[in-house]
Amino acid sequence: QVQLQESGPGLVKPSETLSLTCTVSGGSISSSSYYWGWIRQPPGKGLEWIGSIYYNGNTYYNPSLESRVTISADTSKNHFSLTLSSVTAADTALYYCARSRGGLTTYSDWGQGTLVTVSS
Amino acid sequence: QTVVTQEPSLTVSPGGTVTLTCASSAGAVTNGYYPNWYQQKPGQAPRALIYSTTNKHSWTPARFSGSLLGGKAALTLSGVQPEDEAEYYCLLYYGGGVVFGGGTKLTVL
Repeated sequence: QVQLQESGPGLVKPSETLSLTCTVSGGSISSSSYYWGWIRQPPGKGLEWIGSIYYNGNTYYNPSLESRVTISADTSKNHFSLTLSSVTAADTALYYCARSRGGLTTYSDWGQGTLVTVSS
Repeated sequence: QTVVTQEPSLTVSPGGTVTLTCASSAGAVTNGYYPNWYQQKPGQAPRALIYSTTNKHSWTPARFSGSLLGGKAALTLSGVQPEDEAEYYCLLYYGGGVVFGGGTKLTVL
């Protein structure tokens, strides 16, 4: 049973960079069967796909965030990471990492989410 | 950017049937958009229900079904249970990226 756990600062100052890590247990991020993604949810609002990474390092980003987002993977630590630069209050959200099977759409396994607040 | 539209809210009686829809600003939704449906209850992470239009996960209750209906993706709940009260999100594939719909809040009353 795969488990995903997000970690990182819960508070980030405006204009700074948000950095989160998703540690995966019970499964390998080197598997060609899965994509590994980040999805966020502002308080009281809907889900927004941020982007995903495939085992070969290929990345896919939401066009509205692409200029500020980087997703990377460390296979030696079996984790993948999200960085989002130049954050504003609009980036305050619950950030989820998730595993998608066979493509970018089927996120069958999710972390519990981590709340990141952007505030001075 | 493409907008994916869902009904903001729907209400259904226990035991009833309800259909949620998912439309794309790019035109008719087809199987090539690989529609997925997710259920989210308060304080919980989303849970996948349907993938590639009609396919259920091993944990998806039989009363949930997916389809294409009138140029939209659709999620039908037949024999609704009180525990089905939740927010439902569709997700569509757009060649190298995906977009979530705004969500439908389903009330069972």
